[in-house]
Amino acid sequence: DGGITQSPKYLFRKEGQNVTLSCEQNLNHDAMYWYRQDPGQGLRLIYYSQIVNDFQKGDIAEGYSVSREKKESFPLTVTSAQKNPTAFYLCASSIGGSSGNTIYFGEGSWLTVV
Amino acid sequence: AQSVTQLGSHVSVSEGALVLLRCNYSSSVPPYLFWYVQYPNQGLQLLLKYTSAATLVKGINGFEAEFKKSETSFHLTKPSAHMSDAAEYFCAVISDTGRRALTFGSGTRLQVQP
Repeated sequence: DGGITQSPKYLFRKEGQNVTLSCEQNLNHDAMYWYRQDPGQGLRLIYYSQIVNDFQKGDIAEGYSVSREKKESFPLTVTSAQKNPTAFYLCASSIGGSSGNTIYFGEGSWLTVV
Repeated sequence: AQSVTQLGSHVSVSEGALVLLRCNYSSSVPPYLFWYVQYPNQGLQLLLKYTSAATLVKGINGFEAEFKKSETSFHLTKPSAHMSDAAEYFCAVISDTGRRALTFGSGTRLQVQP
């Protein structure tokens, strides 16, 4: 089936550790996105990529890093510099081109600091 | 910069009653507008989108929304609420200029009372 796969669903991070959230899509989409969701705050954009080997910072990029070496993959690394990483993380993708094209979301990953 | 305001973080209706979820946007260029629904611990599912083809947009599950440029609004309605409509709803805006990523409102949680 075509779609966006995020893994793991649940992840626990110790203080000072870097962790990487995986996002893979088999929709042949050019654009990919990472959002963070906290209760009552909606979704906030972390990074986005319109094409392979290129990406831009969103509103809350500090403490996060990404790579886009392959069209189908857009992993997000939460570094130790992110002081409050506990949140629900959502990956999304779209075919690109017109911004009116639908952006599809994965099922999300929960990250908890322990 | 674009922004979205969703009035009412919580809305409660009786089963069979009209659902009205409010969304106002700010954009200096023609916008594309989206409504997404989120069930607990899941990703976002597209309900409907406005891409300038028609101001009254019909979506899935009996929802519809009307784009009103003069009021900068894109309110979501459903004539008769069903228990299965209980979820969180997000309005989002994007355009073909500037940042090519969705900007979300803070969400509205819909409760449906039996």
